[in-house]
Amino acid sequence: DIQMTQSPSSVSASVGDRVTITCRASQGISTWLAWYQQKPGKAPNLLIYAASSLQRGVPSRFSGSGSGTDFTLTISSLQPEDFATYYCQQANSFPLTFGGGTKVEIK
Amino acid sequence: EVQLVESGGGLVQPGGSLRLSCAASGFTFSTYSMIYVRQAPGKGLEWVSYISPSGTTIIYADSVKGRFTISRDNAKNSLFLQMNSLRDEDTAVYYCARDDSSGREFLDYWGQGTPVTVSS
Repeated sequence: DIQMTQSPSSVSASVGDRVTITCRASQGISTWLAWYQQKPGKAPNLLIYAASSLQRGVPSRFSGSGSGTDFTLTISSLQPEDFATYYCQQANSFPLTFGGGTKVEIK
Repeated sequence: EVQLVESGGGLVQPGGSLRLSCAASGFTFSTYSMIYVRQAPGKGLEWVSYISPSGTTIIYADSVKGRFTISRDNAKNSLFLQMNSLRDEDTAVYYCARDDSSGREFLDYWGQGTPVTVSS
């Protein structure tokens, strides 16, 4: 199974800050990676697919990069509605696996 | 508008059974693979099962293999998860999700989730 490791597990930031979350795969997954945002009590929401493609309707302050084993999600200017937990997910092979999550909290 | 509406969750004793349903609308259900993902209380996301558009390809996580059965009724735009021999560790919110049909399993729409509690 491919293990997905996210860091940090939590980050405190202020509105307007640039936030970067990393995800590392235990083996190469090309660009078969997605990022999701989840707010408390809600289902996850797809932000980025294929490592760097922005899902329709997602604000352009979200961006993704990387390939192989190392990936990054960047929020260029944090907005109040962005405080949430973010997960990466590999879609290279079954079993599909998710990172442990990164909680973005208000500083 | 794409919608996935889940039902069937509840409280069940260890060893019991439950059948989850996911009603799809707003898209051509029969052309999309579907997936179940679960989330234990306070924990992260765990993939549970995959079913291809026609239902001919089915894959399970090792943690549920032999106990859970995924199925679909394309005529009724519905997805199902039959859960047998339930264990305490199956307690979670269960989500159905649509595979975006890009050829890789990116989950572009999710149901609201249905909670399953396994406890005596």
